[in-house]
Amino acid sequence: RKEVEQDPGPFNVPEGATVAFNCTYSNSASQSFFWYRQDCRKEPKLLMSVYSSGNEDGRFTAQLNRASQYISLLIRDSKLSDSATYLCVVNLNTGTASKLTFGTGTRLQVTL
Amino acid sequence: DVKVTQSSRYLVKRTGEKVFLECVQDMDHENMFWYRQDPGLGLRLIYFSYDVKMKEKGDIPEGYSVSREKKERFSLILESASTNQTSMYLCASSIGGGNQPQHFGDGTRLSIL
Repeated sequence: RKEVEQDPGPFNVPEGATVAFNCTYSNSASQSFFWYRQDCRKEPKLLMSVYSSGNEDGRFTAQLNRASQYISLLIRDSKLSDSATYLCVVNLNTGTASKLTFGTGTRLQVTL
Repeated sequence: DVKVTQSSRYLVKRTGEKVFLECVQDMDHENMFWYRQDPGLGLRLIYFSYDVKMKEKGDIPEGYSVSREKKERFSLILESASTNQTSMYLCASSIGGGNQPQHFGDGTRLSIL
């Protein structure tokens, strides 16, 4: 079983739609969680951290369910510019460095 | 803004060559990382460093070594390049301690012929 699993997609949605991605992780000792965005042939960029109580940043909402070991990302009112691959990232705190484990990503394509 | 700079965007080398990939960050971050990214496999950690002259193996260290002589610079070395090391290489840095996000450089697309 992969440490971090995501549906690869692609998710094809029209502009203005709401779309949600889920991600599951296998290690219950995981300490912190993030969503990154990666555009084609570019580097991953931090989209948002995921907090235990859930958090929102504009049109983006992230949630964490520790009991079921999954995190989610909800995008409301999708824009064409949201088209990208979204990477679910989990940190197993080694104590010496924030060693992150990346999912393989979910591809989103927003269309007119 | 954090700036992580990788020395080359594109690099073509030959089998058996010794290859150096350089990474510099300007935010005084303690931690630095080297990943490779391949289609269908996602990002895989090669090596990381949490302090000057310190290094730890990641998930796929074979065929690679690293050097961190100064805090801002982390070098990845392919001792004898092979075709299966053709990949996108990404450097990242983060503040010391756990639970911190990482910030990535633009990446180096390395082709080994």
